[in-house]
Amino acid sequence: AQSVSQHNHHVILSEAASLELGCNYSYGGTVNLFWYVQYPGQHLQLLLKYFSGDPLVKGIKGFEAEFIKSKFSFNLRKPSVQWSDTAEYFCAVNAVTNAGKSTFGDGTTLTVKP
Amino acid sequence: NAGVTQTPKFRVLKTGQSMTLLCAQDMNHEYMYWYRQDPGMGLRLIHYSVGEGTTAKGEVPDGYNVSRLKKQNFLLGLESAAPSQTSVYFCASRDLQGSSYNEQFFGPGTRLTVL
Repeated sequence: AQSVSQHNHHVILSEAASLELGCNYSYGGTVNLFWYVQYPGQHLQLLLKYFSGDPLVKGIKGFEAEFIKSKFSFNLRKPSVQWSDTAEYFCAVNAVTNAGKSTFGDGTTLTVKP
Repeated sequence: NAGVTQTPKFRVLKTGQSMTLLCAQDMNHEYMYWYRQDPGMGLRLIHYSVGEGTTAKGEVPDGYNVSRLKKQNFLLGLESAAPSQTSVYFCASRDLQGSSYNEQFFGPGTRLTVL
């Protein structure tokens, strides 16, 4: 079975600070990896995804993530956060052979102070 | 193109009452999912469907039933609601083609309170 672990439950940053949110997964086979964001009162939307190829993927709003296969990690980064990045962030993994089912991490709440 | 819609947005039930949550998508996606979101627990998969007329259990299926009679609709039923089912319910569909391959598209959620 696949599982996802997000290390930080709540992160508080000031505007312009750099962000890195940790995500580790456990699964021995080929996976697709995702980061979703949920802004207050809204539904989840995709930030970025990794399927194959370049392990550094860029998403919307200046976010990027790096897949490190040897560490089973897919950490999310942003060089300079804005107040509007305040949201909950979910890492998700989908085993390629698992009928399209994704396993989500518990989420990380990011609060950016203006 | 409305994407994924959910009905209702909010609902309050008494213990033992029943209700059905409706999810509709207009993107012709084969796969559809029902999740529940609880504080500190992320999203947990309740049931899913890989096509019209098919359903399967997810991680937390007990107390819920689903039906997928039409490709665009995925219904989640609670036969006898319990306070433990107080949660926010999200429906999602998955694209298996094109640039959004394997991406899940989420509905706006239904906030359910069971008293």
